[in-house]
Amino acid sequence: AQSVTQLGSHVSVSEGALVLLRCNYSSSVPPYLFWYVQYPNQGLQLLLKYTSAATLVKGINGFEAEFKKSETSFHLTKPSAHMSDAAEYFCAVSGNRDDKIIFGKGTRLHILP
Amino acid sequence: ETGVTQSPTHLIKTRGQQVTLRCSSQSGHNTVSWYQQALGQGPQFIFQYYREEENGRGNFPPRFSGLQFPNYSSELNVNALELDDSALYLCASSRTSGYNEQFFGPGTRLTVL
Repeated sequence: AQSVTQLGSHVSVSEGALVLLRCNYSSSVPPYLFWYVQYPNQGLQLLLKYTSAATLVKGINGFEAEFKKSETSFHLTKPSAHMSDAAEYFCAVSGNRDDKIIFGKGTRLHILP
Repeated sequence: ETGVTQSPTHLIKTRGQQVTLRCSSQSGHNTVSWYQQALGQGPQFIFQYYREEENGRGNFPPRFSGLQFPNYSSELNVNALELDDSALYLCASSRTSGYNEQFFGPGTRLTVL
């Protein structure tokens, strides 16, 4: 069975500062891992995904995440926050491409001017 | 290319009623998945339809049912509505069965009074 835990339901960073959103996963098989973003009144948009290739995954809008098996983590980072990054971010896991995706509870990112 | 669309955007029902939500998949996609996102939670998988057949189901009771049509659009039906069914219902489409290339619609906000 798979699960994810997102640390911090709310994270605030200043504009221009580093963004770090934490995600730890549990999986009985090598996982597929995802980060999605949800803007207000919109559906989810895929930021990036890990599917057992390179451990450092680059996504859209300058985001990247690193898969660390030893720490069972898949934290999302962005070097410099922008006001437009304010949104809800979801980490998700699945056991393989045909297995349903399990989402975390989400982290709301606030950007301070 | 038209993205995933859902209708209606908002809906208010009373307990015990029945509701039908609709989803048009992205052009070229033959698979539709439905998710329930309660307030402050991540999306939870309800079921998936692939080529008009149910192709996986989450932990939801039988009063949650679905259909997929020959044009790959889909409906989610919920009978005997309960207060806890109040949520954002998300539809996601993909080119094939599986979950790692999904495109989400904006959702339908259902309120049960």
